[in-house]
Amino acid sequence: GAGVSQSPRYKVAKRGQDVALRCDPISGHVSLFWYQQALGQGPEFLTYFQNEAQLDKSGLPSDRFFAERPEGSVSTLKIQRTQQEDSAVYLCASSLGGRTRGRGNYGYTFGSGTRLTVV
Amino acid sequence: GESVGLHLPTLSVQEGDNSIINCAYSNSASDYFIWYKQESGKGPQFIIDIRSNMDKRQGQRVTVLLNKTVKHLSLQIAATQPGDSAVYFCAVLYNQGGKLIFGQGTELSVKP
Repeated sequence: GAGVSQSPRYKVAKRGQDVALRCDPISGHVSLFWYQQALGQGPEFLTYFQNEAQLDKSGLPSDRFFAERPEGSVSTLKIQRTQQEDSAVYLCASSLGGRTRGRGNYGYTFGSGTRLTVV
Repeated sequence: GESVGLHLPTLSVQEGDNSIINCAYSNSASDYFIWYKQESGKGPQFIIDIRSNMDKRQGQRVTVLLNKTVKHLSLQIAATQPGDSAVYFCAVLYNQGGKLIFGQGTELSVKP
């Protein structure tokens, strides 16, 4: 498709359950980002991939959070033993990567997100 | 590190009026700034960006102003329309091609 696709759109998990959130970036986009957006807040950075390499995971809130992009395309964000504080919208964004001289937006395109509710 | 803040969490304007949304950032070395619009149930959508070597940039009905002296950014929307109702975020690029640091957002409501 033309945009960034995320699935599922909504996920309800019982506390302690593991979840996996999927992101399909725009074809050919080198960079992929995960953000967490709590209700009424701005998105907060979680992690960043360039191709299959995870270059920055400084935003992952705990070792229960794990992200991968094994073939440099689709990415999965996994949350183990979910807690209520994990409830949020998880956004994925992709970009061509590198400095796009003369172009705006660094080519970031966001998906619509996965809304995770932990009960 | 970098932090980004907004002055007002909500803004209500009359249709046809101009809107101004403000943002402050902390790192004087920041060199790339973006405004996003987020509608309910959707991801952030790019509106306009500006680099630190500029102080003003105009798009269609939108203008971004950058004041590096006081580390302040604003988004001006001309002739605001009901379709402009959304949450607006400013974001600062933390490093080239890397992560964005977002502000908390201003919810714009447009009254017909």
